[in-house]
Amino acid sequence: EAGVTQSPTHLIKTRGQQATLRCSPISGHTSVYWYQQALGLGLQFLLWYDEGEERNRGNFPPRFSGRQFPNYSSELNVNALELEDSALYLCASRGSTGSQAFFGQGTRLTVV
Amino acid sequence: EDQVTQSPEALRLQEGESSSLNCSYTVSGLRGLFWYRQDPGKGPEFLFTLYSAGEEKEKERLKATLTKKESFLHITAPKPEDSATYLCAVQAAGNNRKLIWGLGTSLAVNP
Repeated sequence: EAGVTQSPTHLIKTRGQQATLRCSPISGHTSVYWYQQALGLGLQFLLWYDEGEERNRGNFPPRFSGRQFPNYSSELNVNALELEDSALYLCASRGSTGSQAFFGQGTRLTVV
Repeated sequence: EDQVTQSPEALRLQEGESSSLNCSYTVSGLRGLFWYRQDPGKGPEFLFTLYSAGEEKEKERLKATLTKKESFLHITAPKPEDSATYLCAVQAAGNNRKLIWGLGTSLAVNP
């Protein structure tokens, strides 16, 4: 069974540009979570999508946005990139409530 | 407010020296508690799920236990390859399936 896949693995952008990160959940999982993990820090919750709808978002500015497609894959968009956006962006998927989340290997975003 | 606190922040052990990591939680009804291992630059890897007080799960040198206020991850006779950050997350009861994460314990096992 394929796990959660994220692309690209690495992404280098210039300040002010836009970045698009992609996530494919485990087959059958309808929930997708996005997290930001800056170097040496904990997981910061960004967004949660379930059944195509945004269900919750963390304390991040509106330039962090995303969507979930009918096949439950998801996209995270970061507009007007700032240097502080440099981090590992992790996607996780879950099936039913109460079950564990499975993570992808992340996208390392570097803003220069 | 729902909260998860992990301690210690960092732990350094000698190979073979057993110890425990703590995850304390305050939530309005526990739906599940999850332990993960994270290697540098990688996504967290799922270890255990615990649902009710008194429950225990084991895997190789790791054993997770749960009470009504906290969970422990016991590491017996650790090896250098157990070095990683161990993360704890909880889901509160209710319709919101948001996971609440601790900041993790960074474990280093010296040979």
